[in-house]
Parts: sequence; structure tokens; C-alpha cells
Amino acid sequence: DADVTQTPRNRITKTGKRIMLECSQTKGHDRMYWYRQDPGLGLRLIYYSFDVKDINKGEISDGYSVSRQAQAKFSLSLESAIPNQTALYFCATSDSRRGSGEKLFFGSGTQLSVL
Amino acid sequence: QKEVEQNSGPLSVPEGAIASLNCTYSDRGSQSFFWYRQYSGKSPELIMFIYSNGDKEDGRFTAQLNKASQYVSLLIRDSQPSDSATYPCAVLKAAGNKLTFGGGTRVLVKP
Repeated sequence: DADVTQTPRNRITKTGKRIMLECSQTKGHDRMYWYRQDPGLGLRLIYYSFDVKDINKGEISDGYSVSRQAQAKFSLSLESAIPNQTALYFCATSDSRRGSGEKLFFGSGTQLSVL
Repeated sequence: QKEVEQNSGPLSVPEGAIASLNCTYSDRGSQSFFWYRQYSGKSPELIMFIYSNGDKEDGRFTAQLNKASQYVSLLIRDSQPSDSATYPCAVLKAAGNKLTFGGGTRVLVKP
């Protein structure tokens, strides 16, 4: 099955460490997104990319950076992790070429804990 | 005021009953509306979308949109224990081409 794969599934790190979360997809979708989810809060958009050469900030991009290495790969980096970045992180994709650019398909998530 | 608001619940319904979930939004120019389902510890899954005022039915799910009153609802008929999950709604705003999610309503279906 075409899928959205996130690695790692769980990560514990220390304050100040650099960490990268990776996302790859076999759906052939052009758009990719990174969201974070905190208990009781809605999914919040960190960064999104509509194309390999297109990177855009979302509503909470401070402290994060991204790289779209290929159409199928979109990684999220925390340059210097801090405890309030502890959250569940989701990668998502969508396909604009079928008029479904806003229908998101999510990966399984990465639970990140910053101590 | 949050851009997309939902009652966090839990909404407790007996098996076989109708669960009614509501979502209000602040941007009057919003174009498209989505309901996701998220089981505990899992990723969100799209279950319904609606673009025009009125009702849209898909199996046991019905989405209702009222743009004048700026709300979108989800009805789950013949609720089953397997419907126990959190249901975030998402709204595509007129500008920016990005989705904004509500916090989700937790639904508990009791046998």
C-alpha cells in the first residue's frame, strides 16, 4: 500500500540537542506537511511544501527547520531542542493534481520528548 | 477567539444512538470543511468533507454545513463502540490555502 512513513516512532532527547525527524511517502503526492499535536490542542502546522523547491512557514515555525530532499522526502529539524517542543509530530501529504490538495493523509507520528 | 472551535467532550452516547458533533469557525470566507477521526495513539484519518451548504451523507456519517451561521456538524448514526475516538474538524480558509484544525471532540460510545 502507498504509505506515509515517519522515523523514528519515538525519541527521547536532551535540551540543546539537534534532532531530525524524517518523513517519506510512496503515494506520489506533491504536497507535504509537518504538524505537531499537544494534548487538548488541535494539530498545528509547522512547515509545508507544495513542491520540491517550495518551502513555507506555518503558524508555529520558530525553533524548527525543514528540508525537502525529494518529492517523496520531507525532514523536520530541531536545531536546539527545548522541553516545550515535547509533542506528537505528524507528517502529512496531499495531492493537488487531482483537486484534492487539502485532503491530508497522515503518517503514524513521532512522539518526541525533550528532557 | 479560536479560529476553529469544538467542544472537547467527552460526548457519551449509547450504542445505536446518534452522536452529534459541532464545529464553529471564525473566517467567514472559509471554503472547505473536513472531519477527521483519530483513535487514541493513532494518526488522524479523513472521514468526511463538505464544500456546499446543506447535508452530505456517507454511510452512517452525515456532514452538515451552514456558512451563514459559520458552523459545520457531523452526525454519526447507529453509533458503535468502534466509533469511540476523537473527531477533529478542519477548515480551509479563503487565504493561504492551509487547513486550520480544531482541538477535536472526544466521543465515547457505550455498549
